Parts: sequence; C-alpha cells; structure tokens
Amino acid sequence: QVQLQESGPGLVKPSETLSLTCAVSGSSISSGYHWGWIRQPPGKGLEWIGTVYHGGSTHHNPSLKSRVAISVDRSKNEFSLRLSSVTAADTAIYYCVSGTKAAIAAKDGFDIWGQGTVVTVSS
Amino acid sequence: EIVLTQSPVTLSLSPGDRATLSCRASQSVSDYLTWYQQRPGQAPRLLIYGASNRATGIPARFSGSGSGTDFTLTISSLEPEDFAVYYCQQRSNWPPELTFGGGTKVEIK
Repeated sequence: QVQLQESGPGLVKPSETLSLTCAVSGSSISSGYHWGWIRQPPGKGLEWIGTVYHGGSTHHNPSLKSRVAISVDRSKNEFSLRLSSVTAADTAIYYCVSGTKAAIAAKDGFDIWGQGTVVTVSS
Repeated sequence: EIVLTQSPVTLSLSPGDRATLSCRASQSVSDYLTWYQQRPGQAPRLLIYGASNRATGIPARFSGSGSGTDFTLTISSLEPEDFAVYYCQQRSNWPPELTFGGGTKVEIK
C-alpha cells in the first residue's frame, strides 16, 4: 500500500518561501501516474495547488501564478513543493496526493493522500 | 476557470436516511468529476472517480451519477461514519486545471 508523508517547517515568515517534501513509501514513485499538492485553509474547503504528471509535465493553479514549483526526485522517492512570497493567506493544511491507478489518474482523481501538515505564515 | 457549485451546503439527516448531494459545473466537464469524503480531523478520501466509478474499498451504498454539468452523489442509507463533508472536484480539458466545489456537510439531524 502506497503511503505519503509530508514534512517541512510548520512556521514560515511572510515574503519567504514555503518548502515541503512528500516522501513516498510502499512503492516506487515511478509507479504512480501523477503527484500533487492540495491545501485547506483553516475551516475552509480544498484548493488545488498543482500536479506533476508521469511524463514530466507540470500544471498549477493559475491563481498562484508563478509562485509555485513542484518537482520530483526519483532517486529519493519523493516530490516537493516550493511556494514563494508567502502571505498569511497561504496558511493552511498542505496535503501531498497521488493518483496511483490508471483509471483514477486518467480522470485526475487522487486515491492516495498524506495525513497533511499545518503551515502557518506569521512573523 | 470552471466553477463547481455544491448544494445543499448542509444536509441534516438521520442514520438510515437516503442522502442526495448535488454538484453543478459552470461548463461541461464530461465525466472528469471526482467525489471525496472528509471526516473531521482527517485527510479527504476518494469515493468516486469518473463521475460514477467507486474507488477500491468504498461501500456499495455510495453511488455517483451524471455527466456534463450536473452530477449527483447518493448515499442510499446513511451509516454513522458517513456524517462528514463531501467535496466534488473537476478537471478542465486543457490546460488541465482542477477545482473543487465548496463542500456539502452531512450532519446528524
């Protein structure tokens, strides 16, 4: 069973860069179809941040403009998120996600979720 | 951007009741529609993908239907563990952009 685990600082200062890593266990990251990040502000709904597809293409939420970078490190079996110039509005639970089955990934669903990590933006 | 509107915002029902949740898209998303369940303090869990396909391990009381712009998640007989928040998610054709609906909370009446 594939499992995902987020890690990174729980507190980031405004204007700095938020960096999170998602460790993949139980399978090679190369066996997945796509990997991504989703966040949830306190008491609110879900927001897609971005997705890296198996072929290497990356797409992200246009509302985040050029602040987002998602990368995959197959040698470490992990993928990462960098979000620059953060503000208080970026305070949220950040989930790393994956589509590990072809039929699910074909419809851009995510069948595996990490437990989530809380990131607070504050000075 | 494709907007997903979920209704109702809150659904107050009793165990054993039938729950019908709606998700409407601002333009056609074909069958690129996914449903998730989120229990308090937990990460969301995939229920339905491709509008009508149950994910592995999801009980048969959950079913999804619809295509184009109107979608429905039905829970045929609510169990205590089904009281949670449900989100729909779509993927636009190109470029692939994902959006979520605002959620429907199914609460105990």
